[in-house]
Amino acid sequence: RKEVEQDPGPFNVPEGATVAFNCTYSNSASQSFFWYRQDCRKEPKLLMSVYSSGNEDGRFTAQLNRASQYISLLIRDSKLSDSATYLCVVGHNDMRFGAGTRLTVKP
Amino acid sequence: ETGVTQSPTHLIKTRGQQVTLRCSSQSGHNTVSWYQQALGQGPQFIFQYYREEENGRGNFPPRFSGLQFPNYSSELNVNALELDDSALYLCANNPGRGGEETQYFGPGTRLLVL
Repeated sequence: RKEVEQDPGPFNVPEGATVAFNCTYSNSASQSFFWYRQDCRKEPKLLMSVYSSGNEDGRFTAQLNRASQYISLLIRDSKLSDSATYLCVVGHNDMRFGAGTRLTVKP
Repeated sequence: ETGVTQSPTHLIKTRGQQVTLRCSSQSGHNTVSWYQQALGQGPQFIFQYYREEENGRGNFPPRFSGLQFPNYSSELNVNALELDDSALYLCANNPGRGGEETQYFGPGTRLLVL
């Protein structure tokens, strides 16, 4: 079993749509959780940290369920510029990445 | 920008050769981590250094080695290159000791092994 597993995707959605990504992790001792965004042929960049209470940043909402070892990312009112690969990341002494879910937002 | 730079940006090597990749970090960023990202995959953790000592390693063979220097720069060395070593190599920094903190990535080095 992979340490971090994500929806395989790809997701192709129209502008304005709401899209949700899911992620599960295997190490129950994990201490930190993030979503990173990676554009084609670029390095990953931090989108947002994920907290147990859930957190929101504009159109983006992240949720963490420690009991189920599950993380989610919700994007509302999708923009063309949201097209990218979204990486679920779990930290415990070091960072472990999921394989990423590719999102394409179309006009 | 993250302030993390990597060199070279691209590199072509042949099987069996050795390669050294370099990363320059922000001052005060004590932890540097290296990742390998194959096409279509997420970054895979290779190892991390804290104040010039290795303090964590992923599932990579010993021919992958590294160094961190007092000026916060670091190197990734790969010996006896194999075709499967072709990938994007990413360096990431964070200010603290733990590699579980927010990572700031450099632009990466694309390595092609022929």
